[in-house]
Amino acid sequence: DVKVTQSSRYLVKRTGEKVFLECVQDMDHENMFWYRQDPGLGLRLIYFSYDVKMKEKGDIPEGYSVSREKKERFSLILESASTNQTSMYLCASRPTGGKNEQYFGPGTRLTVT
Amino acid sequence: AQSVTQPDIHITVSEGASLELRCNYSYGATPYLFWYVQSPGQGLQLLLKYFSGDTLVQGIKGFEAEFKRSQSSFNLRKPSVHWSDAAEYFCAVGANYDMRFGAGTRLTVKP
Repeated sequence: DVKVTQSSRYLVKRTGEKVFLECVQDMDHENMFWYRQDPGLGLRLIYFSYDVKMKEKGDIPEGYSVSREKKERFSLILESASTNQTSMYLCASRPTGGKNEQYFGPGTRLTVT
Repeated sequence: AQSVTQPDIHITVSEGASLELRCNYSYGATPYLFWYVQSPGQGLQLLLKYFSGDTLVQGIKGFEAEFKRSQSSFNLRKPSVHWSDAAEYFCAVGANYDMRFGAGTRLTVKP
């Protein structure tokens, strides 16, 4: 089975802190994604990566950056956390090929105070 | 631009009753369609997917969905709901790097 793990299930940070959310997948998938999930808005794509060191902006990249130094790991970085970044963050991976679904991690619920 | 609409934010059904969750999409080409389920505090799990061929697709946990091109719909159904089906359900459309998710439908199951 594909496994996507996220470093923390719950995280509480202060405004202005630098925050790292880590995601690891064990199935050698080329593509990895970061979404945020907010009530009534569904999932919105922040960034995705189709290869090591490659990244593309999604729909809501402002205030975020990403890093992919190894194929299995995709990090989301909040350079200076703000209260409006309080949300559920979901990581996903997918093998290359248009018909393939995404596999999701359990999510990290981030609260910025 | 592609988009997904789930008209029902919240649905309540009695255990044992049938269920239908609605999904309408807008997509410029032949869509790839998915239904995911999210249990409280968990990530999303794939229930089923449609790419082509038979418009009625079977998924896990007794769910099925029907693709209707003329109505741009991909509704999810289950003939008899179990208490463990209480969760949030997301419809998604797209492929490759462009996947669009609906806002979700929360399902409550009454005993």
